[in-house]
Amino acid sequence: DIQMTQSPSSLSASVGDRVTITCRASQTINSYLNWYQQKPGKAPKLLIYGASTLQSGVPSRFSGSGSGIDFTLSISSLQPEDFATYYCQQSYRTPRTFGGGTKVEIK
Amino acid sequence: QVHLVESGGGLVKPGGSLRLSCAASGFIFSDYYMSWIRQAPGKGLEWVSYLSGSGSKIYYADSVKGRFTISRDNAKNSLHLQMNSLRVEDTAVYYCARVWEYSSPYDAFDIWGQGTMVTVSS
Repeated sequence: DIQMTQSPSSLSASVGDRVTITCRASQTINSYLNWYQQKPGKAPKLLIYGASTLQSGVPSRFSGSGSGIDFTLSISSLQPEDFATYYCQQSYRTPRTFGGGTKVEIK
Repeated sequence: QVHLVESGGGLVKPGGSLRLSCAASGFIFSDYYMSWIRQAPGKGLEWVSYLSGSGSKIYYADSVKGRFTISRDNAKNSLHLQMNSLRVEDTAVYYCARVWEYSSPYDAFDIWGQGTMVTVSS
């Protein structure tokens, strides 16, 4: 199975900060990488697919990059509604696997 | 509007069974792979199973293989997960999700239901 490792597992940031989350795959996954946002008590929401393409309706302050093994999710200017947990997920191989999540909290 | 609604969760004893359902609306159900994904309390996401639009291709996580069975009824726009021999570690919120093949063979889980809670406890 492909292991997905996210870092950090949590971070504290202020509104307006730039935030970067990393995701590393245990083997190359080309650009088969998706990012999800999950708020407490809610289902995950697809943010970015194919490593760098924003899902429809997602604000442009979100961006994704990377290919192969290393990927990043960036939020250029953190907004109050962005405090949530973020997950990466590979779709290169079955079983599909998720990273452990990064919780973005208010400083 | 595209919508997925799960049902069937509840409290069950270890070794028991439960059948989850997911009602889909707002899209051509038979055109899409569908999946079950779960999340144990306070934990991350774990993919459980998925099957093709026709139901002919089925995949399971090793953790549920031989105990869970995924199925679909395209005439009723419904997805199911039959869970047998349940274990305490199967306790989780179970989400159904649509598999969106945005550029073959790349895919993502683009639509999620609200989830249904399964608790396995004596």
